[in-house]
Amino acid sequence: KAGVTQTPRYLIKTRGQQVTLSCSPISGHRSVSWYQQTPGQGLQFLFEYFSETQRNKGNFPGRFSGRQFSNSRSEMNVSTLELGDSALYLCASSWEGGAYTEAFFGQGTRLTVV
Amino acid sequence: GENVEQHPSTLSVQEGDSAVIKCTYSDSASNYFPWYKQELGKRPQLIIDIRSNVGEKKDQRIAVTLNKTAKHFSLHITETQPEDSAVYFCAASWNYGQNFVFGPGTRLSVLP
Repeated sequence: KAGVTQTPRYLIKTRGQQVTLSCSPISGHRSVSWYQQTPGQGLQFLFEYFSETQRNKGNFPGRFSGRQFSNSRSEMNVSTLELGDSALYLCASSWEGGAYTEAFFGQGTRLTVV
Repeated sequence: GENVEQHPSTLSVQEGDSAVIKCTYSDSASNYFPWYKQELGKRPQLIIDIRSNVGEKKDQRIAVTLNKTAKHFSLHITETQPEDSAVYFCAASWNYGQNFVFGPGTRLSVLP
């Protein structure tokens, strides 16, 4: 069974640009969550999608957005990039999301903003 | 909102000794508490979890205890091995795992 796949693995962008990251969940999983990991702030929740609907949202500015497609694949977009957006972005998928189902993480996309 | 504190931030133990990591949470509505292990350059992986209606859970050398009254939970690793060296994150969820608030992490080093 394939794991959670994130693409690309690495990205370098310039301040002011926008970026789109992709996450393919484990087959059959309908919930996809996104987290930002930085040395200073740790793992912070961005948002969670379930059946194409954003079900939960963290405390990030509106520059961070996401969506989920009918096949459960998810994308997150960051517009008007800032230096502080440099981080490892992790997505996690689970069968139902909640109900104590295990969340499986992808390898992450490392975004560097210069 | 929920806030999770984790201590210690770094922990060094001799191989074969036990390691204990403690977390406290602020939201009494939190009902699910997983622990994740993240090795250098790798993804976080679930190692054990506990629900709010359970006080203790064990899986071989790993155990987790939960004290709902005090709002804290702990990870216990016995007979530590070098491959246990990693960063460990505790987390709390108020919606059964739809999303988590993570602790800042504990870097565990098991010395041979």
